[in-house]
Amino acid sequence: DTGVSQDPRHKITKRGQNVTFRCDPISEHNRLYWYRQTLGQGPEFLTYFQNEAQLEKSRLLSDRFSAERPKGSFSTLEIQRTEQGDSAMYLCASSFVLGPGELFFGEGSRLTVL
Amino acid sequence: AQSVAQPEDQVNVAEGNPLTVKCTYSVSGNPYLFWYVQYPNRGLQFLLKYITGDNLVKGSYGFEAEFNKSQTSFHLKKPSALVSDSALYFCAVRDTNSGYALNFGKGTSLLVTP
Repeated sequence: DTGVSQDPRHKITKRGQNVTFRCDPISEHNRLYWYRQTLGQGPEFLTYFQNEAQLEKSRLLSDRFSAERPKGSFSTLEIQRTEQGDSAMYLCASSFVLGPGELFFGEGSRLTVL
Repeated sequence: AQSVAQPEDQVNVAEGNPLTVKCTYSVSGNPYLFWYVQYPNRGLQFLLKYITGDNLVKGSYGFEAEFNKSQTSFHLKKPSALVSDSALYFCAVRDTNSGYALNFGKGTSLLVTP
């Protein structure tokens, strides 16, 4: 399978715990994006990388959130001290550097904070 | 700032009838426009894009969209709806004066009845 893969697909955690999501982009893609989607809403941009450089962060990305892409391949999104408001679907996408930049999305990681 | 509006939360259409899902946008530069479809508990799938050129763009599964610069709209259309088209549809815009992230609308639920 050459699509974007995300792991885990579903995570249930208790408030205050830390969680980490992993994303493996399409191998030829240099850009990698993280979005958050809550019920009834469209995806909201969190951050994106070009290779290993984090080039843009949304103000939605509070200091409890951190994303890395250490070798320019896979990426991780960590949420520290989770809150119930963090419950959402976390979507990863990737794209080519060249061209208009349509994004190709993974299936998402659903976070439920109890 | 860039933004997207999808004025309809839900669109209902009978199978075999034409469908339209509306989208308007606001950007400071030139827009790159996209449509995505999302099935339950799945990631977003790319349908089509407008970058430049012909105002009518054709995409996957028989969908097309018309770019109208004067009305700042990019409505999604299909001549004959199928029950299997029932899903969530998201319009997205990238402002060429901004970064590379796409800004999504809140989505429109399409229900095609037999």
